[in-house]
Amino acid sequence: DAGVIQSPRHEVTEMGQEVTLRCKPISGHNSLFWYRQTMMRGLELLIYFNNNVPIDDSGMPEDRFSAKMPNASFSTLKIQPSEPRDSAVYFCASSSILAIGQFFGPGTRLTVL
Amino acid sequence: SQELEQSPQSLIVQEGKNLTINCTSSKTLYGLYWYKQKYGEGLIFLMMLQKGGEEKSHEKITAKLDEKKQQSSLHITASQPSHAGIYLCGADPRPPSGGGADGLTFGKGTHLIIQP
Repeated sequence: DAGVIQSPRHEVTEMGQEVTLRCKPISGHNSLFWYRQTMMRGLELLIYFNNNVPIDDSGMPEDRFSAKMPNASFSTLKIQPSEPRDSAVYFCASSSILAIGQFFGPGTRLTVL
Repeated sequence: SQELEQSPQSLIVQEGKNLTINCTSSKTLYGLYWYKQKYGEGLIFLMMLQKGGEEKSHEKITAKLDEKKQQSSLHITASQPSHAGIYLCGADPRPPSGGGADGLTFGKGTHLIIQP
């Protein structure tokens, strides 16, 4: 199994630009999670989907953030416009009712200049 | 909202020594997860505890969930350099609903350094 795949692994952009992060969950997993990790705030849940449906987006910091899951094998997290305070590592994770625990991708390190 | 406090924040241990990391929740724990993260990498699932008094082991790592289900401890026996990293506890905010998974709340992590 390839595990959760995230792209890009690193992204450096300038303030005001649009950023799109991508995630491919483990095949067969029906839940997908987006988290953000910073030194100050630790690992925070942004949004999650069950069966491609957004369940809780209360962790999304602002309207600048949006997430979609058009099908069971793909999700995007978009930031538009990006700001320096968005700099963080963004993780995608997936899970299945048949497995214990959430399985994390390697993360995307975002730097907004 | 639920908060998880981990202690200590960082820990330096000589190779071969035992150590314990604690995770305390502000609310009842419905599921407690332990993860390990190597610097610059993703999280690796270690184990999950659900019932008060439950204890699980993974190689030389043992985790316990206390009777009141608001605290968990992670114990490493005879530490090795491979144990170095960040240990995070995560918690389910609600009882299982059967409708799918919930997002987890995480502690800030414990940074473990193993000195040779």
